[in-house]
Amino acid sequence: SQELEQSPQSLIVQEGKNLTINCTSSKTLYGLYWYKQKYGEGLIFLMMLQKGGEEKSHEKITAKLDEKKQQSSLHITASQPSHAGIYLCGAPNYGGSQGNLIFGKGTKLSVKP
Amino acid sequence: NAGVTQTPKFRILKIGQSMTLQCAQDMNHNYMYWYRQDPGMGLKLIYYSVGAGITDKGEVPNGYNVSRSTTEDFPLRLELAAPSQTSVYFCASSYSSRGRYVNTEAFFGQGTRLTVV
Repeated sequence: SQELEQSPQSLIVQEGKNLTINCTSSKTLYGLYWYKQKYGEGLIFLMMLQKGGEEKSHEKITAKLDEKKQQSSLHITASQPSHAGIYLCGAPNYGGSQGNLIFGKGTKLSVKP
Repeated sequence: NAGVTQTPKFRILKIGQSMTLQCAQDMNHNYMYWYRQDPGMGLKLIYYSVGAGITDKGEVPNGYNVSRSTTEDFPLRLELAAPSQTSVYFCASSYSSRGRYVNTEAFFGQGTRLTVV
């Protein structure tokens, strides 16, 4: 079945710095979702990518899906304390039954003021 | 629009007790999911459903049961609670066009924090 690996596992950055989180799939991606989670809360949808080479931006967050559709990156420009949280990538798992969603283990981001 | 609603938000169970975690969505989504999240371990899929009357096991189904009698509701049953089931449980729903490998994003509930002592 398909697996998603995220790197790094955790990240501490100074406010104002840029950062990148990566998500690598063991199989071709037919959709890739980025979510943000604050401690003790549910997941907030950020962006969805479906086509190879696709790039989407929302405020200071940009997500890309590579041409081969096996890796995605999430880039935050000029980080702020409000960006702190856990970022998870998710994808439909086609290694087993159709359509169930799997997730990476998450990247914990801390932003120092 | 309420989205995905989970109840309860918190619960403490004694070993061997049973309980049902409730999940309801009002978006007419065909897919529904139950995940558990342990510290530092991301989300693990317990069970999922592709429509009313159809359920399937995920990665960690042991100790749990589900049913999907309606499109809206997807309860998760713990029959004999064990300390290993201490976790945060999330319910989610999404829409998928069958046979096209296309899913909308999944919408998540706020979670149920369960402690088994």
